[in-house]
Amino acid sequence: DAGVIQSPRHEVTEMGQEVTLRCKPISGHNSLFWYRQTMMRGLELLIYFNNNVPIDDSGMPEDRFSAKMPNASFSTLKIQPSEPRDSAVYFCASSTDRVTEAFFGQGTRLTVV
Amino acid sequence: SQQGEEDPQALSIQEGENATMNCSYKTSINNLQWYRQNSGRGLVHLILIRSNEREKHSGRLRVTLDTSKKSSSLLITASRAADTASYFCAPGRNEKLTFGTGTRLTIIP
Repeated sequence: DAGVIQSPRHEVTEMGQEVTLRCKPISGHNSLFWYRQTMMRGLELLIYFNNNVPIDDSGMPEDRFSAKMPNASFSTLKIQPSEPRDSAVYFCASSTDRVTEAFFGQGTRLTVV
Repeated sequence: SQQGEEDPQALSIQEGENATMNCSYKTSINNLQWYRQNSGRGLVHLILIRSNEREKHSGRLRVTLDTSKKSSSLLITASRAADTASYFCAPGRNEKLTFGTGTRLTIIP
């Protein structure tokens, strides 16, 4: 398996634009996590899904952020409109069941100018 | 909060020495995981210890768990330059996986 695949690896966008980050979890994994990492705030859990259903989105910073998981092999994190303070590395991770090791993607480095 | 807090924030040691990092948490847990992050990369799982275990080994890694003190430690023996990374703990009670700010470990050749 190729592991968790995130795209794009890098994204530079202008303030106000819509940004969509994509994640393909490892086949057979039924939990998926989205994280944001910055120097100031560390690694924050934004939202996680189990069997494609959002379980906890309490970490989503505001209504500009939304996440979907239309099927077991694909998830998106959308920011609309984007702001400079959204600049961060966004990670997706997946795991096989509720409490086992998680596998992380390589991350998407987002820069909003 | 289920989140763990790693201590120290940063640690620098000579290659070959042992490195010890600590994790404290506040809630009851079912298990605790440790992860490593190399600069610019995603986290990599190192080891999981269950709440009914006190110690676990994996290669040069030794993890202890004291549920009465709500703390865990990660020991890396005979450190190598390749161990330079950030280390995170993740106390687990349910499927929610959260992390602290990590310990930045630097191995000096």
